[in-house]
Amino acid sequence: KNEVEQSPQNLTAQEGEFITINCSYSVGISALHWLQQHPGGGIVSLFMLSSGKKKHGRLIATINIQEKHSSLHITASHPRDSAVYICAVRSQGAQKLVFGQGTRLTINP
Amino acid sequence: DAGVIQSPRHEVTEMGQEVTLRCKPISGHNSLFWYRQTMMRGLELLIYFNNNVPIDDSGMPEDRFSAKMPNASFSTLKIQPSEPRDSAVYFCASSLARRNTEAFFGQGTRLTVV
Repeated sequence: KNEVEQSPQNLTAQEGEFITINCSYSVGISALHWLQQHPGGGIVSLFMLSSGKKKHGRLIATINIQEKHSSLHITASHPRDSAVYICAVRSQGAQKLVFGQGTRLTINP
Repeated sequence: DAGVIQSPRHEVTEMGQEVTLRCKPISGHNSLFWYRQTMMRGLELLIYFNNNVPIDDSGMPEDRFSAKMPNASFSTLKIQPSEPRDSAVYFCASSLARRNTEAFFGQGTRLTVV
């Protein structure tokens, strides 16, 4: 079983829909990251969380440390949100990131 | 700052050839990470450095792979000899070596070994 599991693996939605991507992990962590990767592009850090909730524009990230679960939400989704979203965790006492397999999001106009 | 800079962006080479990937971290960052991304395995850590010293190289696949960080502003990942299964996107990332700091990724090098 992977240390970091994301769901769904693929998600297709219509423009304007509310999107939720989930991430579950099995180890104690010091931080959780949500990353975005566009086709053929680099990786951009969206959020780094160790508790609670963060918001940036139409993106919201939440984490429940007790349940070892995080969600990434996109409100009023837009075709430019189409990308792969990757959850990554940093274990307690470690520096390296362990990645989920990613969720491929496609937003149709 | 221009961010993490990797070169080349694309590399196509023949099996058996030596390949060198380069990375310039963000100025002031003292941790540097090399990751590999494939369709099958996703993103995996190969090696990381703190203050130019290799800390964890357990992700380096085999002796054909080596990484160096001669100074705080430059690192290389070398594959010798290269094999088709090394084809992947290689990312370099840098951060500050303390708890809960963001990692900043380069644009990646897409390596194709034919």
